[in-house]
Amino acid sequence: DTAVSQTPKYLVTQMGNDKSIKCEQNLGHDTMYWYKQDSKKFLKIMFSYNNKELIINETVPNRFSPKSPDKAHLNLHINSLELGDSAVYFCASSQGGGRSTNEQFFGPGTRLTVL
Amino acid sequence: QKEVEQDPGPLSVPEGAIVSLNCTYSNSAFQYFMWYRQYSRKGPELLMYTYSSGNKEDGRFTAQVDKSSKYISLFIRDSQPSDSATYLCAMTGPRGTYKYIFGTGTRLKVLA
Repeated sequence: DTAVSQTPKYLVTQMGNDKSIKCEQNLGHDTMYWYKQDSKKFLKIMFSYNNKELIINETVPNRFSPKSPDKAHLNLHINSLELGDSAVYFCASSQGGGRSTNEQFFGPGTRLTVL
Repeated sequence: QKEVEQDPGPLSVPEGAIVSLNCTYSNSAFQYFMWYRQYSRKGPELLMYTYSSGNKEDGRFTAQVDKSSKYISLFIRDSQPSDSATYLCAMTGPRGTYKYIFGTGTRLKVLA
């Protein structure tokens, strides 16, 4: 029944490591997103893919690389993790753009802690 | 000036109170306005979705949009302790725009 799922839910790692977060949606949506939510709850878009094509790429360090193997999956790989990368990362999906009203549905989040 | 401004709170109210949550925005291209509720350690869940100016009601929740003043509100009637959460407003441009702009969220606590 889970609409948008993310793994892992928690991730604790050392500075300098490389890690990946995975996201899957079973809503049949064609657009997926990665957001970062800081400690003050501010939710900021990082990337968006529509049908496996990158359509939003905000000002994010190039240590962050999204990958969409198909339209139901959007993964986020982070190289050389830094303390400032500690945050909650949310995946979302929508039937975006065009004729639809592109309501976005969020996953449960991945809480990343960099030590 | 941020595109979307939202009072971060926290806002504490007694059970049964009427709650008013507000956002202002500067981009006149925004046409779709959303309210999300986020419980602690959970993902945001869509609460209300409105297009253009006017009111939309769903149970105890009413969303109001005033495009002329660039102001949106969410009213919660007969507030319950289970309404305690962070409420985020979000908005986006014309149909076909993918990017949402979120407010910073208002933390609401309803006291039993």
